[in-house]
Amino acid sequence: DVKVTQSSRYLVKRTGEKVFLECVQDMDHENMFWYRQDPGLGLRLIYFSYDVKMKEKGDIPEGYSVSREKKERFSLILESASTNQTSMYLCASSQGGTRTYEQYFGPGTRLTVT
Amino acid sequence: TQLLEQSPQFLSIQEGENLTVYCNSSSVFSSLQWYRQEPGEGPVLLVTVVTGGEVKKLKRLTFQFGDARKDSSLHITAAQPGDTGLYLCAVGQAGTALIFGKGTTLSVSS
Repeated sequence: DVKVTQSSRYLVKRTGEKVFLECVQDMDHENMFWYRQDPGLGLRLIYFSYDVKMKEKGDIPEGYSVSREKKERFSLILESASTNQTSMYLCASSQGGTRTYEQYFGPGTRLTVT
Repeated sequence: TQLLEQSPQFLSIQEGENLTVYCNSSSVFSSLQWYRQEPGEGPVLLVTVVTGGEVKKLKRLTFQFGDARKDSSLHITAAQPGDTGLYLCAVGQAGTALIFGKGTTLSVSS
């Protein structure tokens, strides 16, 4: 089975702190994704990566950055956390290629910024 | 304008009832995926449909892709409390990323 793990299930941070969310997948997938999920807004793509050291902005990249130094690991960084970044953060991975493959999600990190 | 419209937004039913949820768009897609997300967890893929008119069954769940590949439906027969969750449809974008609908929240009570 594909396994996607996220570093924390719950996280509480203060405004202005730098926050790291880590995601690891064990299926040798080329593509990795970070989403946030908010009530009434659905899943929104923050960033994705289709290869090591490559990244693409999604729909809402402002206030976030990412890092992919190894194929299996994709990190989301909040440089200076703000209360409007309180949300559920979901990481996903999929095979690479020209078609859109099914995505496999981690369990999510519920981040609260106070 | 939302690319994918899911309806209804919320559905609350009793165990044993049947239900259908919908995913609609004005665009044509090469494939469409359905996911279920249980409270506090990440979405899990249920099925991918690729051919217009295609019907796929997964136990009590029946998925249909519209003939014109613009819409899809998910029918659950004899719903159980374990079916409770958020049902999301998704389509491909730019070859890699998915676009998700906002989902249908289903609650099945015993």
